[in-house]
Amino acid sequence: SQQGEEDPQALSIQEGENATMNCSYKTSINNLQWYRQNSGRGLVHLILIRSNEREKHSGRLRVTLDTSKKSSSLLITASRAADTASYFCATDAWGQAGTALIFGKGTTLSVSS
Amino acid sequence: AAGVIQSPRHLIKEKRETATLKCYPIPRHDTVYWYQQGPGQDPQFLISFYEKMQSDKGSIPDRFSAQQFSDYHSELNMSSLELGDSALYFCASSSGLTGANVLTFGAGSRLTVL
Repeated sequence: SQQGEEDPQALSIQEGENATMNCSYKTSINNLQWYRQNSGRGLVHLILIRSNEREKHSGRLRVTLDTSKKSSSLLITASRAADTASYFCATDAWGQAGTALIFGKGTTLSVSS
Repeated sequence: AAGVIQSPRHLIKEKRETATLKCYPIPRHDTVYWYQQGPGQDPQFLISFYEKMQSDKGSIPDRFSAQQFSDYHSELNMSSLELGDSALYFCASSSGLTGANVLTFGAGSRLTVL
């Protein structure tokens, strides 16, 4: 991948536990986004955090961004079996219409009941 | 709500054949992106269009071309297909007015090259 590297590559947890995924990137960004993908399906946008923000919440999702370390984390609290999917971070260098959104390698999350 | 429509959903071609994928963005979205995703891989950016003009270009092979038409739909044309072109091809759209490229993805077109 040109930009994001995600850690861990795979994560298996029990329902009710929290899941944390990390993403590192290489160049400066305008914003960073997280997407979810169920197997073989299209990606779905979860949350966006801008380069001047440090933390953002949306429901059971919490995203942090550390631009000095070029890293972000996605926390899913009280996970459910339905959270089983692959999660990708994506960086937007310019924030302008049509500029490429570059995806990282993704974390595959498996939540068992 | 209307989503991003991609066709065909599945496509089987022989090596050296050509294929055309179509994408119909969400109404009033003026920006279209194409991504290629191999098995177990992250989506790789191919090309994007804003207001019918090419906006950004990624790892799109010279054998591929794309355009966005006056009604904002887009087509990805792939020629001289190779086995390695087998992948899921996603189209995504966004609105340039939002100030951030939040993409809405289609369900994808699965291309198999035999």
